[in-house]
Amino acid sequence: ETGVTQSPTHLIKTRGQQVTLRCSSQSGHNTVSWYQQALGQGPQFIFQYYREEENGRGNFPPRFSGLQFPNYSSELNVNALELDDSALYLCASSFGGGATDTQYFGPGTRLTVL
Amino acid sequence: GESVGLHLPTLSVQEGDNSIINCAYSNSASDYFIWYKQESGKGPQFIIDIRSNMDKRQGQRVTVLLNKTVKHLSLQIAATQPGDSAVYFCAENPPWQNFVFGPGTRLSVLP
Repeated sequence: ETGVTQSPTHLIKTRGQQVTLRCSSQSGHNTVSWYQQALGQGPQFIFQYYREEENGRGNFPPRFSGLQFPNYSSELNVNALELDDSALYLCASSFGGGATDTQYFGPGTRLTVL
Repeated sequence: GESVGLHLPTLSVQEGDNSIINCAYSNSASDYFIWYKQESGKGPQFIIDIRSNMDKRQGQRVTVLLNKTVKHLSLQIAATQPGDSAVYFCAENPPWQNFVFGPGTRLSVLP
């Protein structure tokens, strides 16, 4: 059984650029949730994808968007990057699409916006 | 807005002692809670969970206590080891919402 993997590990972008982060869910899981974790803070829920459809969204602007593919892997896209987007982006996979399903996290992608 | 907070941002304990990490949650309707451990450079790791119809749940060396009256959650770690050094997050699950995480408590285990 493989765990949750994310790529890239680190990324540096400049303000105004666009970025795509990738996540492969744990074997057997069909749900992916994305979180933003600013330095020294807890993760904040961005959105969840279940069976290729958005299945819940947190308080993030539309320039944060996502996709889920038939193999349940997922992408997080952020347009028009701002300095405050600098954070660790975490992907978590689960099974069932429910909000209370236990989520297993990947190691994250560290995004720095200059 | 809804939030989950912690009483102590940092906690230092001697190796072998018991640790208690506290968390105050804000939504009285939250019915599911999870404690996560996050080591440096890694994603959060599930430790233990508890549902609102319980007030105590035990795992291996860990116990979670839930006091719904005062909206308080605690994580007890028995015989704390150096490998327990990490940041610990509590997360609550309000109805019809995804998890809300607290800011975290850093646990340092002293030799």
